Amino acid sequence: GESVGLHLPTLSVQEGDNSIINCAYSNSASDYFIWYKQESGKGPQFIIDIRSNMDKRQGQRVTVLLNKTVKHLSLQIAATQPGDSAVYFCAENRLRSGGSYIPTFGRGTSLIVHP
Amino acid sequence: DTEVTQTPKHLVMGMTNKKSLKCEQHMGHRAMYWYKQKAKKPPELMFVYSYEKLSINESVPSRFSPECPNSSLLNLHLHALQPEDSALYLCASSHSGSFRNEQFFGPGTRLTVL
Repeated sequence: GESVGLHLPTLSVQEGDNSIINCAYSNSASDYFIWYKQESGKGPQFIIDIRSNMDKRQGQRVTVLLNKTVKHLSLQIAATQPGDSAVYFCAENRLRSGGSYIPTFGRGTSLIVHP
Repeated sequence: DTEVTQTPKHLVMGMTNKKSLKCEQHMGHRAMYWYKQKAKKPPELMFVYSYEKLSINESVPSRFSPECPNSSLLNLHLHALQPEDSALYLCASSHSGSFRNEQFFGPGTRLTVL
């Protein structure tokens, strides 16, 4: 079936480095993607989103890149800080019965930032 | 107020118990969700309420019973659970189920079934 998945389960970086978290998707009709951050003991938190008519979107210290040719998206975090340590999920909004768009989450990547 | 609250934070129950999880938001959101999350796994959708009506049930066993008393509240009633139901139960809300559907998640209830 269709899936949204991640390449690496764990990513360790030094404080100040840039981090790149990758995600592959299989549904070529996917139109909207979201990155969530989940810190320990908390629910997922929206970070940034991107529509399929875009290749790149930037936020504060974060950039999402979308490559529709290879069905791949990535989250780049600049100058990674200890507070960025969390599990990051990519999610794909899919149209469900009743006309609602519901995110389907990928496996998640654990980002560990070493001071 | 941009917060989704959930109570209790932790719950331990036996397989014969009946308990309820509660979720509340005051952002005027008309869509509310229950997710189940096992350790080191992504959240899995259980139920969706849209305008206080159940719109999606992801084939969840009947021992889980959702309820939406009003647009701000969402409950999950638990009865005769199994140990494998132990997980983090997340509530979320969104303005609607439209295309750009940013969900706001609560901190979750950590459930342990003995």
